[in-house]
Amino acid sequence: QTVVTQETSFSVSPGGTVTLTCGLSSGSVSTSFYPSWYQQTPGQAPRTLIYNTNTRSSGVPDRFSGSILGNKAALTITGAQADDESDYYCVLYMGRGISVFGGGTKLTVL
Amino acid sequence: QVQLVESGGGVVQPGRSLRLSCAASGFTVSSFPMHWVRQAPGKGLEWVAVISSAGTIKYYADSVNGRFTISRDNSKKTLSLQMNNVTTEDTAVYYCARADGLLPYFDFWGQGTLVTVSP
Repeated sequence: QTVVTQETSFSVSPGGTVTLTCGLSSGSVSTSFYPSWYQQTPGQAPRTLIYNTNTRSSGVPDRFSGSILGNKAALTITGAQADDESDYYCVLYMGRGISVFGGGTKLTVL
Repeated sequence: QVQLVESGGGVVQPGRSLRLSCAASGFTVSSFPMHWVRQAPGKGLEWVAVISSAGTIKYYADSVNGRFTISRDNSKKTLSLQMNNVTTEDTAVYYCARADGLLPYFDFWGQGTLVTVSP
């Protein structure tokens, strides 16, 4: 069974830069998996940040960017702000309509 | 504007059934695939099922395959999830999400409805 891996938690200072990653338990992530990223704060529905590896969803600030770094998808936040403190989830498309979420990364801004 | 409003959640006993609905508006519903995604309390997001725009193609996560059925009524702009033989593992907030028409990602989300499976 395919497992999508993410860091459990990460910390960044206000104004700093952080890169969260999204990998596979077996194999490499490429653009063929159409990586997407979602932000979620407690009690709220997810918000779409990035799709198709590096395309920002409408209204998403340009301090959020997506890429492929090595064998993983990556979400980089440049100039982190206090309200970026959230859970971040990546999703990889496995084909045949099936999407798999990573376990999520809890980002702390302090 | 796109709106997705889930309903039908509640408390249900193990082994029983429950039907969730998602009312869609603000877009041409028949043009977009739709998903259900769930989140158990304190846990991460889990993809549950997807249905094609016409309702002819459906895929399910292994965890619900054979127990849950996704369906849609484009004339009523409604997405449904029939949950049968539920277990405590099905306790979660259930979100409906619109899929982009061309790319495999979720572009709009509802606010979710809570399903609690408890004896």
